[in-house]
Amino acid sequence: QQQVKQSPQSLIVQKGGISIINCAYENTAFDYFPWYQQFPGKGPALLIAIRPDVSEKKEGRFTISFNKSAKQFSLHIMDSQPGDSATYFCAASVAGPMEYGNKLVFGAGTILRVKS
Amino acid sequence: GAGVSQSPSNKVTEKGKDVELRCDPISGHTALYWYRQSLGQGLEFLIYFQGNSAPDKSGLPSDRFSAERTGGSVSTLTIQRTQQEDSAVYLCASSPRRSTDTQYFGPGTRLTVL
Repeated sequence: QQQVKQSPQSLIVQKGGISIINCAYENTAFDYFPWYQQFPGKGPALLIAIRPDVSEKKEGRFTISFNKSAKQFSLHIMDSQPGDSATYFCAASVAGPMEYGNKLVFGAGTILRVKS
Repeated sequence: GAGVSQSPSNKVTEKGKDVELRCDPISGHTALYWYRQSLGQGLEFLIYFQGNSAPDKSGLPSDRFSAERTGGSVSTLTIQRTQQEDSAVYLCASSPRRSTDTQYFGPGTRLTVL
């Protein structure tokens, strides 16, 4: 119920191409879906996030598409650049009682390499 | 401003030893989380602090793991009698308020148990 499944494990894209990473979840109580970007030796950094009341959110070259009925969401990176090469994690959380915070359930990650 | 800092950045220890990992959250952040990232895996939640209290400890894998937070700031994760399966990167994240979604992560402590 708490698992978030992420695919692919790794992805190679040509510079200027579109990178697409997909995630699926089971727990319908999830109501917050962030994507994190992690460079080697660094902690993850929030890239973009979406709530289930919208089907798409765009910030610059990064877009989240959300399909509530299919329980799937995806990250699209347009015009991919070598500097986008990193590990990307999807995550989800449940808005439970306030005192329980906002613990994130993460996918296993996707290693993206953008070839110049 | 300063982000979340963690120390040490790397820790190598022998099986059976105790280790302490430290997290300094962003100043003023009341919520603090510990996660563990094993090789090739996603991040796994360990424990959540709101102020000095830990209302959610559900992710701690065994009673060898404990954590505390003092002064609503620094947190220490302690692993007693370390095992090889404890080898991982331990990440700390902080957030301004318990209801705030964005978590700001530190660089992590890479723990290797020989």
